[in-house]
Amino acid sequence: SQTIHQWPATLVQPVGSPLSLECTVEGTSNPNLYWYRQAAGRGLQLLFYSVGIGQISSEVPQNLSASRPQDRQFILSSKKLLLSDSGFYLCAWRVGGNTEAFFGQGTRLTVV
Amino acid sequence: QKEVEQNSGPLSVPEGAIASLNCTYSDRGSQSFFWYRQYSGKSPELIMFIYSNGDKEDGRFTAQLNKASQYVSLLIRDSQPSDSATYLCAAEGGADGLTFGKGTHLIIQP
Repeated sequence: SQTIHQWPATLVQPVGSPLSLECTVEGTSNPNLYWYRQAAGRGLQLLFYSVGIGQISSEVPQNLSASRPQDRQFILSSKKLLLSDSGFYLCAWRVGGNTEAFFGQGTRLTVV
Repeated sequence: QKEVEQNSGPLSVPEGAIASLNCTYSDRGSQSFFWYRQYSGKSPELIMFIYSNGDKEDGRFTAQLNKASQYVSLLIRDSQPSDSATYLCAAEGGADGLTFGKGTHLIIQP
């Protein structure tokens, strides 16, 4: 069966510090991978998606970046965090087409 | 710009009653639609998906789709306190994933 791992679960970082969140998927090959952010009282905002190794599409201009160094690994990064980067970050995968997305446990990021 | 609209609530329903959750979507090209449940502090989990016009039933849950009206709904029969959560409606939009509504906060009153 397919599983998705996302870590860490919670993170408190100072403004201006770097960020690295990692997500890995098991049990499937060549998944579509996604990073979403959910701010307090707001919906899920798509940040990045990837349909293959090294292929990254950005939906929202920001100080975040994403990379996909391996087929089932997706990384979200920032060189310098802003207060506005606080939120609940969710990694998700799909097999493509008209299929559902499955989410990791999420990372609660608080920038102080 | 693809959009999915939901009433944020809260929607308060007595235990044992039917909860009705609705959403509308803007992209007529969307082919499939999904309902997720999200408990506070947790990640969304899939409840149901629907591709065709009409009703789809799964246990206490019924999803309804009307593509002409660009309208999707979720009915929860015999509502339980454990159904209290935020329900997210999502529309398929291609490789760039699902477009989510902001969710409806449902409260089941014992």
